Formats: sequence, C-alpha cells, structure tokens
Amino acid sequence: QVQLQQWGAGLLKPSETLSLSCAVYGGSFSGYYWSWIRQPPGKGLEWIGEIKHSGRTSYSPSLRSRVTISVDTSKRHFSLNLKSVTAADTAVYYCARGDGDYVGVYLDYWGQGTLVTVSP
Amino acid sequence: QSVLTQPPSVSGAPGQRVTFSCTGSRSSIGAGYDVQWYQQLPGTAPKLLIYGNSNRPSGVPDRFSGSKSGTSASLAITGLQAEDEADYYCQSYDSSLSGSVFGTGTKVTVL
Repeated sequence: QVQLQQWGAGLLKPSETLSLSCAVYGGSFSGYYWSWIRQPPGKGLEWIGEIKHSGRTSYSPSLRSRVTISVDTSKRHFSLNLKSVTAADTAVYYCARGDGDYVGVYLDYWGQGTLVTVSP
Repeated sequence: QSVLTQPPSVSGAPGQRVTFSCTGSRSSIGAGYDVQWYQQLPGTAPKLLIYGNSNRPSGVPDRFSGSKSGTSASLAITGLQAEDEADYYCQSYDSSLSGSVFGTGTKVTVL
C-alpha cells in the first residue's frame, strides 16, 4: 500500500520561502510523476508542478518563476520550495503520486495536505 | 488558472442519475489528452475516481462513469447516494501550458 506523508511549516510571513516535503512509503519510487497541488480556502485545485525520479521537472506557468521541486531518491522524498510568498499563496498544499504516459497523468495517491497560511 | 470549465453545482434526489461536464479546448481535451475525475469530501484530500477518461480504480463503485467527446468530458453518477455529496474535479493536460490543469469544480448536492 502506497502512502504519502507530508510535512512543513504552516505559518509564514510575506516574502518568506515556503518549504514542504513529502515522504513516499511503499511501492516503487521510480517511473512516477511526484506532484504538488494546492487549494486556497474555499476554492478549487491548482496544479503546481511535478518531478520525475530522474529529476526532470514541469511547473505551472503562473508559478514557474518562484517554484522549485526537488527529489531525493535515496530517501524517497520530494520537496516543494515556493519563494517570496504573499497572502495569495495561503492554501492547503498536497503532494501526490502521478502515473500515466504521454496522453495524461493521473494522481492516484495523495498526501494528507498541509495548510500554509501567509500572514504578517 | 483553470482552463477546464465545470458547472458550479448540480443536485439530485437519492437514486437519481446526475451528469455534469468538463469543457476544455483544442490544446487540452480536444488534443486527445486523457481526462481524470476526482472526488473531494469536505476536509479531505481528493480521491481518484476515474482515470483515462472512463477507467475506474479498484474500489470505486460502478455507479460512477466517465466519457469524453471532442473538447469535453462528462461524469455520470447513477443511483445517487447521500455519501456522494462532495466536490468533483476534472483534470487533464494542456499543451499550451505544458502541464496539468484542473477543472473549476462541481459541488454535488443530494436532496
């Protein structure tokens, strides 16, 4: 059974850097798209980006200038860094495993979510 | 920046069938990319409901079905149950954005 366990700081001040990590338990680590998604309070889901175990990344155009996703295959962890946060970055952040191919990637396992609040 | 449009809400009585759409564009659903559907119960992480347009993961009841045509996709729930009351999101890939995109979400209410 695959489980994703995420952690990181839940309260940030404007201009600080958001850092979250996600550990993967069970299953293979290679061959998947390790992804981050966020959801502002009361709003819909927003795809942030993904990384393959090889290190190849893909980011949302709206966040690309501020986001970095990295992977540590030896620890079976992947991480999200989002710099220069503002109140608009307040959201529940989810990590997830993506599976699929060139016609599409589906997110079959999700972390529990971490509420990150940006406030002065 | 959702580029997949869903109706904000749909409702139905227990036992009824409800359907709702996910409308994309020629760079997303219309380009042949698969559509996925997720169910999100209040306060929980989304759960994969349909992948590859019409495939159900193990454990998902066959009351849920998905289809795709042209630049749109649809999710149908037959035999609506109280436990189906949730938010539902579609997801696909958009080549103009070079990444995945989610729909705007549909809230299903069981009357």
